[in-house]
Amino acid sequence: GAVVSQHPSWVICKSGTSVKIECRSLDFQATTMFWYRQFPKQSLMLMATSNEGSKATYEQGVEKDKFLINHASLTLSTLTVTSAHPEDSSFYICSARREASGRVYNEQFFGPGTRLTVL
Amino acid sequence: AQSVAQPEDQVNVAEGNPLTVKCTYSVSGNPYLFWYVQYPNRGLQFLLKYITGDNLVKGSYGFEAEFNKSQTSFHLKKPSALVSDSALYFCAVRDIWSSNTGKLIFGQGTTLQVKP
Repeated sequence: GAVVSQHPSWVICKSGTSVKIECRSLDFQATTMFWYRQFPKQSLMLMATSNEGSKATYEQGVEKDKFLINHASLTLSTLTVTSAHPEDSSFYICSARREASGRVYNEQFFGPGTRLTVL
Repeated sequence: AQSVAQPEDQVNVAEGNPLTVKCTYSVSGNPYLFWYVQYPNRGLQFLLKYITGDNLVKGSYGFEAEFNKSQTSFHLKKPSALVSDSALYFCAVRDIWSSNTGKLIFGQGTTLQVKP
């Protein structure tokens, strides 16, 4: 159990276009999901906390109008990179906080990541 | 300020030897500590956690970690390393100011290289 999927696993797009990345918790519900960005051989940088049914909470320095987050259901959060530019090229990873039978798990479960390349 | 430090960028061990990946933390109160492993071009996989209880925590793939409150450390260990253990390892602590969301603070990561 506790599987998180991401789609697509990789995407190449032209500068100026928008790209949507989906994060799904396959076998559990998640009120809270997280979006991270990771540069090569570096740690994860938290971009935002996605809350089901409400607005996302963005970390300092992350442009909320550029990185749109929607958490419309207990199993799906989406990240849309709007008007993408080459500097947005990165590895984007989502995670979900598992909730089951009234219990909230402390560990996060991560998706496999999405490699975005903007030409 | 809360933080997690992994003092080694890379750890090299020979297959069959014991391995240790170091982690120290700085938080007020009782920490919730985690170890994750990341293989190339993949997301993170949960290895183990310390919330409360025994200081020695056992996790996946034969890994274990020892919580040491006096030294504010949570080092990851394995008695006998495998080549397949080669990966990037992250230590993390739960942000106490965002405990309702479960937000984590990650260390910078340590690359483990196990040579045959």
